[in-house]
Amino acid sequence: DAGVTQSPTHLIKTRGQQVTLRCSPKSGHDTVSWYQQALGQGPQFIFQYYEEEERQRGNFPDRFSGHQFPNYSSELNVNALLLGDSALYLCASSLTGSNEKLFFGSGTQLSVL
Amino acid sequence: ELKVEQNPLFLSMQEGKNYTIYCNYSTTSDRLYWYRQDPGKSLESLFVLLSNGAVKQEGRLMASLDTKARLSTLHITAAVHDLSATYFCAVQENRADKIIFGKGTRLHILP
Repeated sequence: DAGVTQSPTHLIKTRGQQVTLRCSPKSGHDTVSWYQQALGQGPQFIFQYYEEEERQRGNFPDRFSGHQFPNYSSELNVNALLLGDSALYLCASSLTGSNEKLFFGSGTQLSVL
Repeated sequence: ELKVEQNPLFLSMQEGKNYTIYCNYSTTSDRLYWYRQDPGKSLESLFVLLSNGAVKQEGRLMASLDTKARLSTLHITAAVHDLSATYFCAVQENRADKIIFGKGTRLHILP
């Protein structure tokens, strides 16, 4: 049983560009959350998707947007990249209504030059 | 707004010693997580604590939750080098879905 898978694993972009990160949740999970982890910091909640809709959002600008597909996979899009967007982006999946823990993917390391 | 504070943020200790990491949070919650992260890696779930007085143990790690004090502890018994990592406490807001992480405790165990 595959866990949470993310792609790509590494990405290098330049300021002003746009990026799309992808996540496939663990089998049986219906909810996907995205986190940004800057170097030496704890993960920061970006948003969560359930039933193809954004259910909750953290303190991130509108440049950060997402999508969830009918198969529960998800994308994170970041427009007009800034140097400060360089971070590890983590996807976590869960089953809504369950007391089960969150499962995290290995992350996408984004570097903005 | 929910805030999560861990202390210490950095801990260097000898093998064989015991120590405790503390996690305080600012608003009501009844779901708390502990995660481990190795350098350059993702987060590995250690414990989920769901109710006041919950205690869970796995090997040399034991976690507890006091919802009235808004405090969780992660206790390390007879530390070994393999436990060197960064440990995060994370708290889920009541009636919300987002989980707020602490800044992490970077644990370095000296052989």
